[in-house]
Amino acid sequence: QVQLMESGGGVVQPGRSLRLSCAASRFTFSSYDMHWVRQAPGKGLEWVAVITYDGSKKYYVDSVKGRFTISRDNSRNTLYLEMNSLRGDDTAVYFCAREGGALRLLDFWGQGTLVTVAS
Amino acid sequence: DIQMTQSPSTLSASVGDRVTIICRASQSISDWLAWYQQKPGKAPKLLIYKASSLESGVPSRFSGSGSGTEFTLTISGLQPDDFATYYCQHHNTYWTFGQGTKVEIK
Repeated sequence: QVQLMESGGGVVQPGRSLRLSCAASRFTFSSYDMHWVRQAPGKGLEWVAVITYDGSKKYYVDSVKGRFTISRDNSRNTLYLEMNSLRGDDTAVYFCAREGGALRLLDFWGQGTLVTVAS
Repeated sequence: DIQMTQSPSTLSASVGDRVTIICRASQSISDWLAWYQQKPGKAPKLLIYKASSLESGVPSRFSGSGSGTEFTLTISGLQPDDFATYYCQHHNTYWTFGQGTKVEIK
């Protein structure tokens, strides 16, 4: 069964940086586009970013453009989200998700890692 | 950008009820619409894709319909395990989610 495990969350002060990781296993990581989705406490799901299977293309939600960077290391089967200039409204559980096939569905998700931005 | 709007935000129902959740897109998305179920503290679970295709392993009491801008998720015969929050999502070029519908016990 596909496994995705996020790490790197924690408490960080406004304006600081944090890097999230998502370790993938039990599938050919280098063949799949990968996403980050977040969920603020008590709120709905918000798509954050996507990276193509080879890292050549990246897309972001407007609210994180210029502050967040999605990347991947296919040799380590790991997805990353570098978050800079963090704000209070970035507080959320961050999920990584695999985009499965031609239908472009988010078919497998990790359990999420909590990022809290507070002074 | 495409916006997805769900209604209602909260739905109170009893075991055995038939419930329907509506999702509207701000512009036509053909049938590129998925539905997810999420329980507290858990990751979302894919239920339906391409508006009406049931994901493998999902009970047949879940069904989806619609195309263009209006879609529905129906649960026929609500079970205790179905009390959760449901999200629609445009999949394909964008991955915008609706704001969610919480199905709670009446």
